Parts: sequence; structure tokens; C-alpha cells
Amino acid sequence: NAGVMQNPRHLVRRRGQEARLRCSPMKGHSHVYWYRQLPEEGLKFMVYLQKENIIDESGMPKERFSAEFPKEGPSILRIQQVVRGDSAAYFCASSPVRTNTEAFFGQGTRLTVV
Amino acid sequence: QQQVKQSPQSLIVQKGGISIINCAYENTAFDYFPWYQQFPGKGPALLIAIRPDVSEKKEGRFTISFNKSAKQFSLHIMDSQPGDSATYFCAASARGGSNYKLTFGKGTLLTVNP
Repeated sequence: NAGVMQNPRHLVRRRGQEARLRCSPMKGHSHVYWYRQLPEEGLKFMVYLQKENIIDESGMPKERFSAEFPKEGPSILRIQQVVRGDSAAYFCASSPVRTNTEAFFGQGTRLTVV
Repeated sequence: QQQVKQSPQSLIVQKGGISIINCAYENTAFDYFPWYQQFPGKGPALLIAIRPDVSEKKEGRFTISFNKSAKQFSLHIMDSQPGDSATYFCAASARGGSNYKLTFGKGTLLTVNP
């Protein structure tokens, strides 16, 4: 059973470009959570999704950021018109039910905006 | 508002020594307190967790001590080994509707010297 798969592992974007980060949850997991880790900071909750539904996006910046988890395929975190402050590691976690106690994290996508 | 405060920021311990990392929280609704271990380039991995109904939990060389009245909890690593060198994060989540959302401390970089 493969773990949570995130790709790409590293992503470099110029200011103003779009970044798309993908997260494939563990098999049997239908709940996905995205977290952002800024340099020398802990992880900060961004959004919680179930298949085809955004449950809680209270941690997402209001502009430029969006997330989806379609019926088929991975969850996508999309950042439009990236700025240097978006440079961070983005982690997703998945769980079989609505909880954090059984959530497993992926290896993250490290976004660098130049 | 930083809801989970973690200290120290970094820690150097000799092989065989005891590593102690402390966390304090403010939100009295928190009722789940996990510790995560993160190696460079990897995602956080759940190490050990505790709920407020017990004051201590031990798993192998890792022990969580919990002080509900002081709103503090700590991780003790006995007989620390070089392989324990990693960043450790404490976290907390609240009961109820947002039990999926983890609030992380800023992390402690542990170095165990051989």
C-alpha cells in the first residue's frame, strides 16, 4: 500500500506564474488535508477536502489559492500568480475518516518562487 | 496568535543522553496532543500521541508527559541515538467539529552527537 504521494517534489516558478501541486491519498482514503510549512515554522493548516467537496478552507489565503479533490484523480492545490512569499513546503495528508489521528503525511512539494 | 508554543528551538544531546522538548498550549478545547518526527526532505511522521485523560504515555524510548492544569506537555527521548536527529513538532487538535485540524508548534531541531 503506497503512502501519500505528492508531486512534484520540487517546483520552481517565476513570479506571476501558476503552481499546481498534486496529492494522491493513500488507497482507501477519501479525506485530504493540505498544510503549508514556511521556513523555520511549523505546519499551518490550509484546507480540508473530501471527494468533490471543500469542507474547510479557513486556512487558505483568500486570493490566488484554490484546491480541489475531484471524483477521479489526485487532489490539486493551485496557486495563481505566485509571489516570493509563497515559497514554502506544501504537505498533504490523507485519512480514511474525518480525523487527524489516522492521517498520514506525504513527503511534500517544495515550491521556490524566483 | 500562536496557540502551541514549543521550546527549545534547537537541542544538542550526546548519544545515550535524554532529550526533552516542551510545549505549551492555550486553547482549553484541545484534547489530542501528537508529536511528529520529520527528517530532512521528508514529511512529518506520527511518533506518539496522548489524550488529556492520562498524564504519561510511553512507547519504547519515547515518553509524553502531560500536565493538564499547566497546559503543558513534553516529549522525552531516552537513550538518544544519532538516528533520532530530526526536527520534532508538537501539535494539538480540538474535540468536536474541527477535530481534523492540527495546530503545530514551530519545531525543535534535535542533533544527537555520536
